[in-house]
Amino acid sequence: KAGVTQTPRYLIKTRGQQVTLSCSPISGHRSVSWYQQTPGQGLQFLFEYFSETQRNKGNFPGRFSGRQFSNSRSEMNVSTLELGDSALYLCASKEREGPYNEQFFGPGTRLTVL
Amino acid sequence: KQEVTQIPAALSVPEGENLVLNCSFTDSAIYNLQWFRQDPGKGLTSLLLIQSSQREQTSGRLNASLDKSSGRSTLYIAASQPGDSATYLCAQTDSWGKLQFGAGTQVVVTP
Repeated sequence: KAGVTQTPRYLIKTRGQQVTLSCSPISGHRSVSWYQQTPGQGLQFLFEYFSETQRNKGNFPGRFSGRQFSNSRSEMNVSTLELGDSALYLCASKEREGPYNEQFFGPGTRLTVL
Repeated sequence: KQEVTQIPAALSVPEGENLVLNCSFTDSAIYNLQWFRQDPGKGLTSLLLIQSSQREQTSGRLNASLDKSSGRSTLYIAASQPGDSATYLCAQTDSWGKLQFGAGTQVVVTP
């Protein structure tokens, strides 16, 4: 089975712009979660989607949003980019929602905001 | 509030030595604990998942234990190799399935 894929792998944007990141989960996995990784804050949970519905949300401003499509692919959008949004954005997939399943991560999208 | 702590933050060992990585968590109602490896600038690779009902899991040279009563998990890597150099992260899962990560232990295995 193919692993979790994320596109694009690298992005450079300027402050005030918006960006959309994409994540394709492992085939058969219906839950997709997004995490932000920075040197200062480590890995922080953004949100989780299951069956096209947001199931859980982390403590991030409303500029961060996401959605999931019927094929389980997910997109994350960040509007009005700030310098502090520079980070590695990781998505993870698992078979279903809830706490019991192993989660598998993609290679990440490195976002740089200038 | 759940907290996950990994000590030490960095570790350097000579090739062939066994690695012992520690993870402490505060939530005794843990659902599962997952160990990951991360190479510089890359995503996370899942190493082992331990369910709350289990005491340990093994995969090849890797063995992870879970002690809920003391709030600790330990990852053992036998006969370390230079290719084991990476950052190792542990994460506990809350009731929603959200992963709460430790800051990681950066490991260097010298030839």
